[in-house]
Amino acid sequence: DAKTTQPPSMDCAEGRAANLPCNHSTISGNEYVYWYRQIHSQGPQYIIHGLKNNETNEMASLIITEDRKSSTLILPHATLRDTAVYYCIVRLRYQTGANNLFFGTGTRLTVIP
Amino acid sequence: GAVVSQHPSWVICKSGTSVKIECRSLDFQATTMFWYRQFPKQSLMLMATSNEGSKATYEQGVEKDKFLINHASLTLSTLTVTSAHPEDSSFYICSATKQLGRAGPSYNEQFFGPGTRLTVL
Repeated sequence: DAKTTQPPSMDCAEGRAANLPCNHSTISGNEYVYWYRQIHSQGPQYIIHGLKNNETNEMASLIITEDRKSSTLILPHATLRDTAVYYCIVRLRYQTGANNLFFGTGTRLTVIP
Repeated sequence: GAVVSQHPSWVICKSGTSVKIECRSLDFQATTMFWYRQFPKQSLMLMATSNEGSKATYEQGVEKDKFLINHASLTLSTLTVTSAHPEDSSFYICSATKQLGRAGPSYNEQFFGPGTRLTVL
């Protein structure tokens, strides 16, 4: 799977948008971009994923550049409960059997009151 | 839904004892479950792949005789840490794979349990 690069930490003011970048310059054409987050002492939580189009759900928006070499996860109105480590992962979607989620170091987002 | 539970959520044990952690998929059947370990301020590291009815596949550096995995049913996998020592203290997380995509090509997604914090004194 392609490697990803994320900033180790970011701060965001409560109520403002949090924009978390991810570089994945070696992503292949059939690999998806997935985002998970892990709140302290909990298991990872799926947020959103995409292939090449921008995606939005009730939690966040995902913006993928046209060349697919980078993406940004946007939390439109960050709350204190969004404080967590956010992981950007690129993976093949249509793959059975073997594990296809490799967690890097992620970005530790701290939402400040 | 796709809910995965773990039991216990935390456990404290004495050095030399064995501890069993259960991972259950509550509302779906999972042919494959994964076990991860996470040390403080570090990322998740895959320990092993657990397939129902067959032996688990361990990642390099993980002792299979120390971390016993049993996947006896499509909804339950257990991880037993044998003769636990303080260095085994960690956050253990399981995930279960669910097959999705009935309308198109099928694919598997992982759903994670809440984790089990093991402290070995």
